[in-house]
Amino acid sequence: AQKITQTQPGMFVQEKEAVTLDCTYDTSDPSYGLFWYKQPSSGEMIFLIYQGSYDQQNATEGRYSLNFQKARKSANLVISASQLGDSAMYFCAMREGSGGYQKVTFGIGTKLQVIP
Amino acid sequence: NAGVTQTPKFRILKIGQSMTLQCTQDMNHNYMYWYRQDPGMGLKLIYYSVGAGITDKGEVPNGYNVSRSTTEDFPLRLELAAPSQTSVYFCASRGSGNEQFFGPGTRLTVL
Repeated sequence: AQKITQTQPGMFVQEKEAVTLDCTYDTSDPSYGLFWYKQPSSGEMIFLIYQGSYDQQNATEGRYSLNFQKARKSANLVISASQLGDSAMYFCAMREGSGGYQKVTFGIGTKLQVIP
Repeated sequence: NAGVTQTPKFRILKIGQSMTLQCTQDMNHNYMYWYRQDPGMGLKLIYYSVGAGITDKGEVPNGYNVSRSTTEDFPLRLELAAPSQTSVYFCASRGSGNEQFFGPGTRLTVL
């Protein structure tokens, strides 16, 4: 089974609207974490947000929030008030293991395009 | 702080040639990682290191070697380059937190 599944190859959103990017995961490790990274066309990987499996509250960072539903094994990224600069590839990733031996697995990404 | 730096930015190799991708971080992070990103795909872990002198294989280690003689440096060696190794290579480091800090990437083409 895929460890990280992103089922939306591409998404469009109107500027100033909110958008949800889907991510489901599969792990038997009780301690894990979920990340979202942004990759603009320039190619760099930009960290957006992190959610630990034991965190009680959903993570938020500015306009980004992570809708963590543990029982459904989903970790969707919500971007509020979309901006043209949000157009990019978005990758969901999962950390398993602990300490230094933790490994991170990435999904195949969702391409988001913000329309003026 | 420069963060994570990678050299070169671009490289074209002929089949069978060898090269070393350099990665350096100045954040005194113990953990370092090498990923490759094929076109239209996510990142796949090649090798990682939990400290100087300690390395381990990731998901796709074949055709690569690494070493970690210092905390700062984590070079990736390609021996006998093959077209299947055409990819963008990212180095990353991590401290005591969960976030990995990525370098800008090296775009490698093998012809």
